[in-house]
Amino acid sequence: KAGVTQTPRYLIKTRGQQVTLSCSPISGHRSVSWYQQTPGQGLQFLFEYFSETQRNKGNFPGRFSGRQFSNSRSEMNVSTLELGDSALYLCASSTGLAPYEQYFGPGTRLTVT
Amino acid sequence: AQSVTQLDSQVPVFEEAPVELRCNYSSSVSVYLFWYVQYPNQGLQLLLKYLSGSTLVKGINGFEAEFNKSQTSFHLRKPSVHISDTAEYFCAVSALYNQGGKLIFGQGTELSVKP
Repeated sequence: KAGVTQTPRYLIKTRGQQVTLSCSPISGHRSVSWYQQTPGQGLQFLFEYFSETQRNKGNFPGRFSGRQFSNSRSEMNVSTLELGDSALYLCASSTGLAPYEQYFGPGTRLTVT
Repeated sequence: AQSVTQLDSQVPVFEEAPVELRCNYSSSVSVYLFWYVQYPNQGLQLLLKYLSGSTLVKGINGFEAEFNKSQTSFHLRKPSVHISDTAEYFCAVSALYNQGGKLIFGQGTELSVKP
């Protein structure tokens, strides 16, 4: 069974621009969660989508948004990029049912200059 | 709310020696517990999980962890490490009644195995 895929793997953007990251979950999984990983803040939960609906949300500003499509693929968008948004963005796939065991993709490394 | 504390940010150890990576958590509700490993420039790989039942859980690559409810701990152990175990290890919790996938992670422990 194919794992979680994320595209692109690397991205360089300029402050003020916007960016869209994509995540394809494991086949049959209906939940996608997004996390931001930085050296200073560690791994922080952004949000989770289940069956095209946002089910959980972390404490990030409204510039961070996401959506999920009917095939469970998910996109995350960050508008008006700031230098502090430079991070590894990880998506995780699960069935969406307890115990919500999550399988992670390789991540997208975003650098904001 | 839940929180996770990994007590050591770095653990250096010699090859074939035993290792323990410590994790304590705080939660007002019951939780699921996980350990993940991250190799350089990669995503997270699930090592093992505690959902219920036996407090000693075994995972991949010879790792095991013990859930201690009274001490709210979930320490990860391996009796004999290899160079290839060099990586960052993350402890994570998820509330039992979270209604969804929201993992709270510790800050990570960098395991460095030396020959």
